[in-house]
Amino acid sequence: GQQLNQSPQSMFIQEGEDVSMNCTSSSIFNTWLWYKQDPGEGPVLLIALYKAGELTSNGRLTAQFGITRKDSFLNISASIPSDVGIYFCAGRLGNAGNMLTFGGGTRLMVKP
Amino acid sequence: EAGVTQSPTHLIKTRGQQATLRCSPISGHTSVYWYQQALGLGLQFLLWYDEGEERNRGNFPPRFSGRQFPNYSSELNVNALELEDSALYLCASSLAQPRETQYFGPGTRLLVL
Repeated sequence: GQQLNQSPQSMFIQEGEDVSMNCTSSSIFNTWLWYKQDPGEGPVLLIALYKAGELTSNGRLTAQFGITRKDSFLNISASIPSDVGIYFCAGRLGNAGNMLTFGGGTRLMVKP
Repeated sequence: EAGVTQSPTHLIKTRGQQATLRCSPISGHTSVYWYQQALGLGLQFLLWYDEGEERNRGNFPPRFSGRQFPNYSSELNVNALELEDSALYLCASSLAQPRETQYFGPGTRLLVL
């Protein structure tokens, strides 16, 4: 089946530092999404990307849809303790309706 | 506006039993999706229902099944439970059109002993 390779698997950073994580795929996606999951809760959508090359920001978060349509990255600037959680990328194939394929997640830990 | 709700929040079963998980979508949403999240892993797509019909199915055995009711709520049934079925089961809902955002519920944590 389709797979998204997400890296890094985990990060332990100091408050105030910038964070970067990315996802790559062997398949072309027509949509890339980034979600955050807090403990005991479902994932919450952070950013949606619909066009190759698209760069979108949401506060301190910035994500880009790769030109090849096979990758995406998420940057978090000036991290704060509440950024702690697991970040997932997800992609939607053009021929798979609304079904999403998820990456394995990046666990972010922020030291105050 | 109420979000996606799921019940129960936790479920403990023994191997061989059946489990039924329930999901109520956001009002107005007609599509419901089920995902399995094993401990420490990403989400694996299970099932997609829209307008009462199964639209797509992930790579899971037939003992994972479900249905969508006329009010768009959904059930996920897992028969002949196995230890490795222990996971967080997440339900999401969306409007039917392509590119519509999926909103997730808090999940049901299933433990099979």
